[in-house]
Amino acid sequence: DGGITQSPKYLFRKEGQNVTLSCEQNLNHDAMYWYRQDPGQGLRLIYYSQIVNDFQKGDIAEGYSVSREKKESFPLTVTSAQKNPTAFYLCASTGNTEAFFGQGTRLTVV
Amino acid sequence: AQSVTQLDSQVPVFEEAPVELRCNYSSSVSVYLFWYVQYPNQGLQLLLKYLSGSTLVKGINGFEAEFNKSQTSFHLRKPSVHISDTAEYFCAVRPTSGTYKYIFGTGTRLKVLA
Repeated sequence: DGGITQSPKYLFRKEGQNVTLSCEQNLNHDAMYWYRQDPGQGLRLIYYSQIVNDFQKGDIAEGYSVSREKKESFPLTVTSAQKNPTAFYLCASTGNTEAFFGQGTRLTVV
Repeated sequence: AQSVTQLDSQVPVFEEAPVELRCNYSSSVSVYLFWYVQYPNQGLQLLLKYLSGSTLVKGINGFEAEFNKSQTSFHLRKPSVHISDTAEYFCAVRPTSGTYKYIFGTGTRLKVLA
């Protein structure tokens, strides 16, 4: 089945550690996105990429980094510089009109 | 730049009653409009989309929405809700050309009461 796979579903990390969230798609989509979701704040764009080897900062990029070495993959690293990393992270991709979403990764930093 | 406003953060409604979830947007360029639904601890699922043409669009699960360009609105409606419609609903826009950047509203939590 075509879709977007995010892993892991739940992730726990100690404060000060970097952590990488995986996002893979087999929809042959050019554009991919990372959103952060906090209660009452909707979805906020972290980074997006419209083509391989190119990406742009979204509205809340500080403390995050990404890479886009392959069309299918768009991993997100949450660095120790991110002051409040505990959140639900959603990856998405689009071919032309609507965005398709993964099932999300819930990151908890203790 | 674009922005999306969902004024109602929570909407309680009794089962089998009609419901309308409001969405207003602001954009200096032409946009596509979307409604998504999210169940707890899951990703977003597309309910419906407006790209062009007829302003009344029908989606999955009996939902429909009407695009009103003059009022810059895209309200979501369902004539009779079920308990299973309890979820969070997000309105979103994206420019029709240029950067494929989706802007989401803050969401409306629909709670269907028995």
